[in-house]
Amino acid sequence: EVQLVQSEAEVKKPGESLRISCKGSGYNFTNYWITWVRQMPGKGLEWMGRIDPSDSYTNYGPSFQGHVTISADKSITTVYLQWTSLKASDTAMYYCAIQPGFWGQGTLVIVSS
Amino acid sequence: DIQMTQSPPSLSASVGDRVTITCQASQDISNHLNWFQQKPGKAPNLLIYDASDLETGVPSRFSGSGSGTDFTLTISSLQPEDIGTYYCQQYNNLPRFGQGTKLEIK
Repeated sequence: EVQLVQSEAEVKKPGESLRISCKGSGYNFTNYWITWVRQMPGKGLEWMGRIDPSDSYTNYGPSFQGHVTISADKSITTVYLQWTSLKASDTAMYYCAIQPGFWGQGTLVIVSS
Repeated sequence: DIQMTQSPPSLSASVGDRVTITCQASQDISNHLNWFQQKPGKAPNLLIYDASDLETGVPSRFSGSGSGTDFTLTISSLQPEDIGTYYCQQYNNLPRFGQGTKLEIK
């Protein structure tokens, strides 16, 4: 069974760094791109970017390029989403997905002073 | 950068009604369009891929049509469990979601 299991919720302060994870199992990890999607409170879905776990090639949406980093460690079938300096506006639910049909359960990130 | 315009932003309909949601792309995306349903606190659920193909396990009252720039999601007979927010997503280039349509029961 294909599964994407995401890391637990995080509460951080502005300016802090953060890395959240998405672990894939039940399939050949290097065969499928993994995508990250943001959903701010009460708002719609935003496509952030994706990574090819076979070679770590990435694409980013225009609004996210330079603001986050997507990486992968295929030895542990895990993809990451990373921030170096969080802002309050990064408060959101973050989903990883093998688009279109397999989604993680989401990781809630709260950034508050 | 392909923009997706989804309408209406919200709608209220009665059980048994035929419901239609539209999505317009800013340029030709062929049939590279998905439709998702999202319920509060849950990850999105794929309904339709390639504009008109029904995902396995999705009730047949859901259907998708269109190609090029204009697309439609139709629910032939609205059921109470269909409440939620619906999103289109193009994947012709860098993927992008529509703004969403919140569906309520009247």
